[in-house]
Amino acid sequence: RKEVEQDPGPFNVPEGATVAFNCTYSNSASQSFFWYRQDCRKEPKLLMSVYSSGNEDGRFTAQLNRASQYISLLIRDSKLSDSATYLCVVDSGGYNKLIFGAGTRLAVHP
Amino acid sequence: DVKVTQSSRYLVKRTGEKVFLECVQDMDHENMFWYRQDPGLGLRLIYFSYDVKMKEKGDIPEGYSVSREKKERFSLILESASTNQTSMYLCATQPRVSYEQYFGPGTRLTVT
Repeated sequence: RKEVEQDPGPFNVPEGATVAFNCTYSNSASQSFFWYRQDCRKEPKLLMSVYSSGNEDGRFTAQLNRASQYISLLIRDSKLSDSATYLCVVDSGGYNKLIFGAGTRLAVHP
Repeated sequence: DVKVTQSSRYLVKRTGEKVFLECVQDMDHENMFWYRQDPGLGLRLIYFSYDVKMKEKGDIPEGYSVSREKKERFSLILESASTNQTSMYLCATQPRVSYEQYFGPGTRLTVT
């Protein structure tokens, strides 16, 4: 079983749509959670951290369910520029290491 | 702004060659990491380092070695390149007090 699992997609949505990605992780000792964004042929960049209480950054909302070991990312009012791969990332439960999911690809079309 | 640079964007090497990939950061971060990224597999950790001259094996260290002689520089070495090492190699840095990682632009290595 992979340590971090994501639906690879692609999710093809029209501009203005709301889209949600989910992710599950296996290590119950993980304490820190993130979403990274990776554009085609570019390096990953931090999109947002995920907090237990849920957090919002503009059109992006991230939520964490520790009991189910589940993380989500909601994107409202999708833009063409949101097209990218979204990586779910959790810490390894120690040692400052991160575990990356394989990513979910989003394609927003006009 | 954190700047992480990698020595090459694209590299083509022959089977059996020794390959050096270099990563340099300018933000005085203690932790540095080397990953490879393959379609469907995501980022897999090869080696990491918490300090100068320190190194730790990641999840897939076989066929690789690393060197960290200076804080800002972390090198990945393929002792004898093989075709299954064709991949995108990404270097990342991380301050000790945070989990946020900053990535270099990556090196796409092809071994023929």
